[in-house]
Amino acid sequence: ETGVTQSPTHLIKTRGQQVTLRCSSQSGHNTVSWYQQALGQGPQFIFQYYREEENGRGNFPPRFSGLQFPNYSSELNVNALELDDSALYLCASSLDDTQYFGPGTRLTVL
Amino acid sequence: QQQVKQSPQSLIVQKGGISIINCAYENTAFDYFPWYQQFPGKGPALLIAIRPDVSEKKEGRFTISFNKSAKQFSLHIMDSQPGDSATYFCAASGAGNMLTFGGGTRLMVKP
Repeated sequence: ETGVTQSPTHLIKTRGQQVTLRCSSQSGHNTVSWYQQALGQGPQFIFQYYREEENGRGNFPPRFSGLQFPNYSSELNVNALELDDSALYLCASSLDDTQYFGPGTRLTVL
Repeated sequence: QQQVKQSPQSLIVQKGGISIINCAYENTAFDYFPWYQQFPGKGPALLIAIRPDVSEKKEGRFTISFNKSAKQFSLHIMDSQPGDSATYFCAASGAGNMLTFGGGTRLMVKP
């Protein structure tokens, strides 16, 4: 176990809705990264937060946004859901090079 | 272009054999190369990682070989076991530690 938890485990939404996914990092880890993993593919970097500020962003549109809180928790928000947003969403916390991944949230958009 | 290419996509190995997975990268700014193992329904778990200042790193049955001039690195799993059956991802990152993953290799170890 990595000590990184995510909720919910599974989620079903319809196109156009909004969703919030949550992550609880390991205590003391000041960096959290979010990744999208489509079925049968490698994870793709969405963005990273360091000490509650966005520190880097991958090739994802602005409707993907996030927050990091002082208690080592974070959120990924996705607005105007599209069918292609169906994927496993992973968060990873880190203090140095090593990123520790949570089990992910499986999002299905109908 | 920040891309990591991984091969093969799938691999079948007999128990006790050697599993070899290869990756190639393009961005010379990458300086950290981890390998992750993922079981169905789980998040990726770090297996082993290497930096470009060494050409090989071994941890137990897992070895990374790194060729900086060719911009390639590989994972060797010695004495492969059925419990090693999983999907393996190579990854790379530079400053900021934002991982770029390969496409994954689905390994099956037959008893």
